Amino acid sequence: GAVVSQHPSRVICKSGTSVKIECRSLDFQATTMFWYRQFPKQSLMLMATSNEGSKATYEQGVEKDKFLINHASLTLSTLTVTSAHPEDSSFYICSAGIQGGSYGYTFGSGTRLTVV
Amino acid sequence: RKEVEQDPGPFNVPEGATVAFNCTYSNSASQSFFWYRQDCRKEPKLLMSVYSSGNEDGRFTAQLNRASQYISLLIRDSKLSDSATYLCVVTYTGRRALTFGSGTRLQVQP
Repeated sequence: GAVVSQHPSRVICKSGTSVKIECRSLDFQATTMFWYRQFPKQSLMLMATSNEGSKATYEQGVEKDKFLINHASLTLSTLTVTSAHPEDSSFYICSAGIQGGSYGYTFGSGTRLTVV
Repeated sequence: RKEVEQDPGPFNVPEGATVAFNCTYSNSASQSFFWYRQDCRKEPKLLMSVYSSGNEDGRFTAQLNRASQYISLLIRDSKLSDSATYLCVVTYTGRRALTFGSGTRLQVQP
């Protein structure tokens, strides 16, 4: 089946630094990548939707200049958390969609970000 | 009001018990419905889709009531391995991303 590889699985960074999270579709072409964030005991919240070769669409309340999304190829999408703050500490997870497909069922394994 | 609401639990049940989870959604434009399972901050995994006619997969039965905007999941003969958070998930017409409930935590005890 379709596999999405997400790295890193865990990262600890200092306040003010940037962190890049990668999601790769290993055996299919992901035309769309959804990026979610999950705080403890809360639901997964959609942050943005990226389509290969075009700008990402951000959900209301998500700062596009802080959470930079790049989807330059059909197999790679990245999320960069810039100038990270402790409140950005969360579980970030991607989900890939296929052209003409349904709802992006294939999830990466998630990245636990801790900003200290 | 949240788009998808679930009782957060936790539901603590003994092995072999039958447990039911409920979920309500607020947007009548909802198109598709699912139950996902999430373990210990790992990625959510699709458990089953939910249809108006009801559907069953082994010990799991899901039901959808569109008129009441209500979804249910029934787990029979609970196993220790069923311990997880169960997420109610909805999609809407014209929006491909999944909308998640906050999940119901199940703890099956020996």
